[in-house]
Amino acid sequence: DTGVSQDPRHKITKRGQNVTFRCDPISEHNRLYWYRQTLGQGPEFLTYFQNEAQLEKSRLLSDRFSAERPKGSFSTLEIQRTEQGDSAMYLCASRVREGLFNEQFFGPGTRLTVL
Amino acid sequence: LAKTTQPISMDSYEGQEVNITCSHNNIATNDYITWYQQFPSQGPRFIIQGYKTKVTNEVASLFIPADRKSSTLSLPRVSLSDTAVYYCLVGDDSGAGSYQLTFGKGTKLSVIP
Repeated sequence: DTGVSQDPRHKITKRGQNVTFRCDPISEHNRLYWYRQTLGQGPEFLTYFQNEAQLEKSRLLSDRFSAERPKGSFSTLEIQRTEQGDSAMYLCASRVREGLFNEQFFGPGTRLTVL
Repeated sequence: LAKTTQPISMDSYEGQEVNITCSHNNIATNDYITWYQQFPSQGPRFIIQGYKTKVTNEVASLFIPADRKSSTLSLPRVSLSDTAVYYCLVGDDSGAGSYQLTFGKGTKLSVIP
């Protein structure tokens, strides 16, 4: 257990539905990341927050995706009008500014299945 | 970001030392080398990070030759619980940007009893 939690752990939805995932990072970590991982691949960066500000977004993050981090604490990732190609593991990670720059603490992920 | 190349898979017997080599020919002066471990249905876990020569912690050792174009992760006396995917990453500590991690496909290590 890294201290980063994600909810839910599994989500099954029908194509076209909206889904929202939550990430609770380690409390003193000001940087929060979302990644997506498909079967057989390494995680791919989606977006990054420093405190409550969303500072970077990958081109993978289409208009149907939105992420928030109100008050710089927990974060949510919403996918609107889900498509079968959105099926993946969605991982959240956090790091403290003063830590080893490549050391991120990952949550267990939310596995999304779109039928 | 420098591209990394590592074997797709490796097998090892329990109790053996395992060495996983990663190539990063285009590594930049400011780049560090980092390794992560990922078990099925879990997020990746940081193992070790280094810049040059040798780094050792309670889990693994990281060997980096003088030209830094490759690195080797060494796992001593592996057990069945070390069966996982191991990722090699390179990135710089420039003080700017998000420090997003760029993962390849990793090396799937299977430890055999």
